[in-house]
Amino acid sequence: GDSVTQMEGPVTLSEEAFLTINCTYTATGYPSLFWYVQYPGEGLQLLLKATKADDKGSNKGFEATYRKETTSFHLEKGSVQVSDSAVYFCALSDEARGSTLGRLYFGRGTQLTVWP
Amino acid sequence: SQTIHQWPATLVQPVGSPLSLECTVEGTSNPNLYWYRQAAGRGLQLLFYSVGIGQISSEVPQNLSASRPQDRQFILSSKKLLLSDSGFYLCAWTRGSSYEQYFGPGTRLTVT
Repeated sequence: GDSVTQMEGPVTLSEEAFLTINCTYTATGYPSLFWYVQYPGEGLQLLLKATKADDKGSNKGFEATYRKETTSFHLEKGSVQVSDSAVYFCALSDEARGSTLGRLYFGRGTQLTVWP
Repeated sequence: SQTIHQWPATLVQPVGSPLSLECTVEGTSNPNLYWYRQAAGRGLQLLFYSVGIGQISSEVPQNLSASRPQDRQFILSSKKLLLSDSGFYLCAWTRGSSYEQYFGPGTRLTVT
């Protein structure tokens, strides 16, 4: 079935360091891909998305490119800030015939801590 | 604009007690609604989803149930809580055929 695999955390970086969080997926169709962010004690917020191959989603300095050939959607940011400390979730849409509209499959999440 | 509310924000309940968590969405109609549980240090587990009033689908057999008495109201319940029911419960909604889910602030449940 459809699934998402994220790199294991936690990830600890110094401020202004480069960030990569790996995400690969398995899907039978052509899913849309998402990154969500969860700040401590809060719900999830949509960070960025890509709906088809080679699309690049971007928001708040974060980027991810939908790579169909490698089934990947890695999250990157050139210079992280302390305020980026959070848990990041990769997700894909369930596009299978007969599936529930709007269903998402989430990865297990990657904890990012940025030190000043 | 649309907003999603969950209450209570935190809850401490003894084992064997009942549970009722509520989620409401404002500013939209006929949303798809979802209940997730997030255990400590783990990812999101989809518990229930609903595409309309009275329509509930369960993802995993468990000690919980869900109901949708009104278009924009989604309730998570249990008759007798277990220790393993502790976690962070998140409600989410989507518009129609969109896959972008919007999450509520969550309810932290501790079963003692």
